[in-house]
Amino acid sequence: GAGVSQSPRYKVAKRGQDVALRCDPISGHVSLFWYQQALGQGPEFLTYFQNEAQLDKSGLPSDRFFAERPEGSVSTLKIQRTQQEDSAVYLCASSLVGGYNQPQHFGDGTRLSIL
Amino acid sequence: QQPVQSPQAVILREGEDAVINCSSSKALYSVHWYRQKHGEAPVFLMILLKGGEQKGHEKISASFNEKKQQSSLYLTASQLSYSGTYFCGNANMRFGAGTRLTVKP
Repeated sequence: GAGVSQSPRYKVAKRGQDVALRCDPISGHVSLFWYQQALGQGPEFLTYFQNEAQLDKSGLPSDRFFAERPEGSVSTLKIQRTQQEDSAVYLCASSLVGGYNQPQHFGDGTRLSIL
Repeated sequence: QQPVQSPQAVILREGEDAVINCSSSKALYSVHWYRQKHGEAPVFLMILLKGGEQKGHEKISASFNEKKQQSSLYLTASQLSYSGTYFCGNANMRFGAGTRLTVKP
């Protein structure tokens, strides 16, 4: 399909391991967002890319979290030395043009469980 | 800072109306509304960019009072398909905790 694709859908890791989550936005979409969603809560903003530039990383909870979008399309969210509180669904969203005030198309998310 | 939504949950019968409120302690420059069904991705409903703006989407509409730093989402003649959790977000993409709407036959 032509939607936002995230992989893997599910990821189980042991505490202390590093994980990498992938997001394939809709082709041609300029903006890409990452969110963390805990059970029963709203999406919590992590970071925003406009093309390859990371314009806002104010939501990243610690320096263990790192995101990149080197060619302005696919993005990877990396979490180092995972901890149990990192367990959540990680959502990626893209929008056609730059800026925050645009409709966002969300992927189905990656459910991360840290044991 | 996150917007605050109320109520946290609401149960309706098909055909009934509901209002979901979203307020902020800081200035709201825009309001975004999304609906998320259980286990699925959030789906865009609408964005309100100007104070006083009202927008509609099917039988779902919203208003935005910039002065009062609040927005309301109106669901009229609710349908079973309206069930889900509704989130409002501010201009910095900070979302509220959500309002869980259940529509029963």
